Amino acid sequence: GAVVSQHPSWVICKSGTSVKIECRSLDFQATTMFWYRQFPKQSLMLMATSNEGSKATYEQGVEKDKFLINHASLTLSTLTVTSAHPEDSSFYICSAREKREASYNEQFFGPGTRLTVL
Amino acid sequence: RKEVEQDPGPFNVPEGATVAFNCTYSNSASQSFFWYRQDCRKEPKLLMSVYSSGNEDGRFTAQLNRASQYISLLIRDSKLSDSATYLCVVNPTPSGNTGKLIFGQGTTLQVKP
Repeated sequence: GAVVSQHPSWVICKSGTSVKIECRSLDFQATTMFWYRQFPKQSLMLMATSNEGSKATYEQGVEKDKFLINHASLTLSTLTVTSAHPEDSSFYICSAREKREASYNEQFFGPGTRLTVL
Repeated sequence: RKEVEQDPGPFNVPEGATVAFNCTYSNSASQSFFWYRQDCRKEPKLLMSVYSSGNEDGRFTAQLNRASQYISLLIRDSKLSDSATYLCVVNPTPSGNTGKLIFGQGTTLQVKP
């Protein structure tokens, strides 16, 4: 149980285009989903926290107009990188927290999406 | 100062060795602590939670020192399959309700035959 999928697993796009990444919890309902970015040899950096049915909360320094997050259901969140540029090339990972009592903290991670912007 | 700091390594050890990783965190109000394992180009996976009293899971032992804001992971009898990057992870909020996790840079372990 507790499987999170991401699609696509990798994508190459031209500079200026937009890319949408999907994150799905396959066998549980996720009240909260998180989006991380990881550059080579660096730690995962939280970009935003997404709660179903409400606006995402972005971390400091993350442009909300560039990284659009939609969490329309308890099993799906999407991240759209708008007008992507080469510096947006990174490993994007989502995680989902199961809908349980608030103190339960385990997150389940998706396999990640490797974005390369040419 | 980073919120979670780790020595990036790499730690190169022979099979069967015992190796220890350390991590420090800056937010004294943090309540939840974890060690994750990340293989190259893969997502992180939870290795173990870290409890105040210390806890053990097979060859892995985690310790927490709240006074020093220090977390450790000990791996005994290293296997080749232990080669990976080990991430120290902290939930910085007292109640843990937000689920927000802060990741350290990770410590790379390479176990040699």
